[in-house]
Amino acid sequence: DTAVSQTPKYLVTQMGNDKSIKCEQNLGHDTMYWYKQDSKKFLKIMFSYNNKELIINETVPNRFSPKSPDKAHLNLHINSLELGDSAVYFCASRRSGQSGELFFGEGSRLTVL
Amino acid sequence: AQSVTQPDIHITVSEGASLELRCNYSYGATPYLFWYVQSPGQGLQLLLKYFSGDTLVQGIKGFEAEFKRSQSSFNLRKPSVHWSDAAEYFCAVGLLAAGNKLTFGGGTRVLVKP
Repeated sequence: DTAVSQTPKYLVTQMGNDKSIKCEQNLGHDTMYWYKQDSKKFLKIMFSYNNKELIINETVPNRFSPKSPDKAHLNLHINSLELGDSAVYFCASRRSGQSGELFFGEGSRLTVL
Repeated sequence: AQSVTQPDIHITVSEGASLELRCNYSYGATPYLFWYVQSPGQGLQLLLKYFSGDTLVQGIKGFEAEFKRSQSSFNLRKPSVHWSDAAEYFCAVGLLAAGNKLTFGGGTRVLVKP
């Protein structure tokens, strides 16, 4: 019973393509996040949704478009992929109003050629 | 702006030896503090967290951390490391008011020698 699950786990694609990563959590949490981990392992927040509403939007290119159809799902669509988009993308969730702990998925490794 | 610093990029320790990982933060107020561990190819797992109260907190896998307000530090320790402790360790801080955002340090990679 995976708490936060992401698909696909690995994604290899060409520059200029459009791709999506999906995330689902079965923890009953109302807040979800996308983090990007670069090749140096640095983790940076990209987006956060609370009950399907965007609450955090860091300085991310508008080629990245998150979508939350319901509070258990948060997808990430990336248009016109660039080499610099290669990274591991982590989805995370938490229950707002509580301790602040994030639960992470296993990550989706995106490689842009 | 808030920031989290983990001064050590790599640490190599012998199995059975003690381990201490450093974390310093810069925040306008006392934030919530976390340590996460990432094994190769895996997601991040919470080791422990501090919100208030006793400044020495115990976590999973035999880890503990001590919050020192005067030094803005939250160092992680383990008295005796096991080979399975080889991983990347991340310190993170957050404020509930800041849209529930966690800011992570750059990570410390721990290598364990037999």
